[in-house]
Amino acid sequence: KNEVEQSPQNLTAQEGEFITINCSYSVGISALHWLQQHPGGGIVSLFMLSSGKKKHGRLIATINIQEKHSSLHITASHPRDSAVYICAVLYSGGGADGLTFGKGTHLIIQP
Amino acid sequence: KAGVTQTPRYLIKTRGQQVTLSCSPISGHRSVSWYQQTPGQGLQFLFEYFSETQRNKGNFPGRFSGRQFSNSRSEMNVSTLELGDSALYLCASSLARGRAAGEQFFGPGTRLTVL
Repeated sequence: KNEVEQSPQNLTAQEGEFITINCSYSVGISALHWLQQHPGGGIVSLFMLSSGKKKHGRLIATINIQEKHSSLHITASHPRDSAVYICAVLYSGGGADGLTFGKGTHLIIQP
Repeated sequence: KAGVTQTPRYLIKTRGQQVTLSCSPISGHRSVSWYQQTPGQGLQFLFEYFSETQRNKGNFPGRFSGRQFSNSRSEMNVSTLELGDSALYLCASSLARGRAAGEQFFGPGTRLTVL
């Protein structure tokens, strides 16, 4: 079974710290998504990557296809960044699968 | 542009009943995907519809079904509800389908409680 592993599962940091969340997957992918989920359930798509690096504001996402690994970085973290961050991949093999999700990283930024 | 809408937002049913959830995608989006989120299993893919046809299906029993209408609105149905079907059901829309789907835009979800 193709898995998506995220680490850490839980992360508590102080405001202003640099945050890194990691995602590893097992086989070739077509795309990798980083999602943000706030309490109450709403999910926001942060990035979609197939190679390289993307930046949006204080958020940076990178992917290393050879290593099958992606990272999400948050610079100058703020309490409003507190949320669950979820990595999801679309595998490139045959078959009719949709996104496969990691278990998520619960991030708490303390003032 | 209006976002993805889902109705109802909350639903309470009893075991054995059936339920229908609705999802209206962003205008112009033709692909709608459905996901189930539970504390134990996390997010899991249910199915994807594009141009009124189911294109992909996750590993769920046949009690879970769906359909898509010509205006791209989608419904999912769960028959013979079980306690384990209690979950947040999310839909997401995108311009294209499958591996060309691009960014997905999620609705607020429907929280289903089965008693």
